[in-house]
Amino acid sequence: DSGVTQTPKHLITATGQRVTLRCSPRSGDLSVYWYQQSLDQGLQFLIQYYNGEERAKGNILERFSAQQFPDLHSELNLSSLELGDSALYFCASSVGGQGVYEQYFGPGTRLTVT
Amino acid sequence: QQQVKQSPQSLIVQKGGIPIINCAYENTAFDYFPWYQQFPGKGPALLIAIRPDVSEKKEGRFTISFNKSAKQFSLHIMDSQPGDSATYFCAASINSGYSTLTFGKGTMLLVSP
Repeated sequence: DSGVTQTPKHLITATGQRVTLRCSPRSGDLSVYWYQQSLDQGLQFLIQYYNGEERAKGNILERFSAQQFPDLHSELNLSSLELGDSALYFCASSVGGQGVYEQYFGPGTRLTVT
Repeated sequence: QQQVKQSPQSLIVQKGGIPIINCAYENTAFDYFPWYQQFPGKGPALLIAIRPDVSEKKEGRFTISFNKSAKQFSLHIMDSQPGDSATYFCAASINSGYSTLTFGKGTMLLVSP
């Protein structure tokens, strides 16, 4: 168990809908990262927050947004969902922000868009 | 544009064999190279990592070999066991600023009993 929690574990929704994925980092970790994992694209970095501030952005679609709250939990919002958004979404956390720190991954949320 | 290329896509070895997974990168600014192991239904977990100032690093049965001039690095699993059956991802990052991990596409390893 990495200490990172993600809810829900599974999510099934229809095209055009909006969903929110939630992540609680390990105790003491200030950075949260979101990744999308699909069979064809592998693990793709989406976005990083450090202590409430956005710090790095990857291949995140404009329909997706995230935030990190004062208690350090984070939410990833996916809107106007398309079939291609079906994937595993992982949250990871690390103690630091700048430089390299080990990232601890949560168990993921499996999103299915029908 | 894929910045870290990983091969093979899948690999089957017998128990006790030495599977080798290879990765090649393009960005010469990368200076941190971790390997992650992922079991079905779980998130990836850090296995071992190397920085370019050394050519090899061993942790237990896992060894990373690094060739800076060729921009390649590889994972060797000595005396592989069925419990090593998992998907392995190589990654690369820059050790400065708010850098992020760029992952290879993964190698599905099956170690047969």
